[in-house]
Amino acid sequence: QVQLVESGGGVVQPGRSLRLSCAASGFTFSSYGMHWVRQAPGKGLEWVAVISYDGSNKYYADSVKGRFTISRDNSKNTLYLQMNSLRAEDTAVFYCAKAPVVYASRQLAYFDYWGQGTLVTVSS
Amino acid sequence: EIVLTQSPGALSLSPGERATLSCRASQSVSSSYLAWYQQKAGQAPRLLIYGASSRATGIPDRFSGSGSGTDFTLTISRLEPEDFAVYYCQQYGGSPLTFGGGTKVEIK
Repeated sequence: QVQLVESGGGVVQPGRSLRLSCAASGFTFSSYGMHWVRQAPGKGLEWVAVISYDGSNKYYADSVKGRFTISRDNSKNTLYLQMNSLRAEDTAVFYCAKAPVVYASRQLAYFDYWGQGTLVTVSS
Repeated sequence: EIVLTQSPGALSLSPGERATLSCRASQSVSSSYLAWYQQKAGQAPRLLIYGASSRATGIPDRFSGSGSGTDFTLTISRLEPEDFAVYYCQQYGGSPLTFGGGTKVEIK
């Protein structure tokens, strides 16, 4: 069965950096685009970034562009989110989510599987 | 950016009743690229519906989606106790991907 397990969250001061990881299993990781989606405490869902199955295409929400970098290591079945220059408004649970279509050329997608999330708190 | 507005914000119903949730887009969603998710407290969202009306794997047939263009609906025909949760719509027809603000279905 598909499993996505996020890690790397924690408390970090404003302006500092953090790297999240998402370990994938139960499917051919290298064949699917992957996304990060976040949810501020008590709020709704916000898409953050997507990376294509081979890592060649990456897109970001305007709110994180230039500060966050999505990447993947298909040999390790792992997705990453490098977050720099963190702000208080980045405080959220970060979910990794799997796109549904194999070898998709179109990165706009819905999410058929989600991890359980990792909490990032940006506070001094 | 396509803005999705969900209504009502909250819905108080009893088990066995019918729930009708609305999702309205600020512009037409191409190819009915609209999905619905269910989220329970402390859990990740779960995919219910994609392509506006296709049920995801393992989703009971009491959940149905309809609509096109700018107006979409999620219907739960007979609420079961496990259906009380928050529901989100999401469009994937345009960039960036966006979600509605959610509808909370609570027990009356």
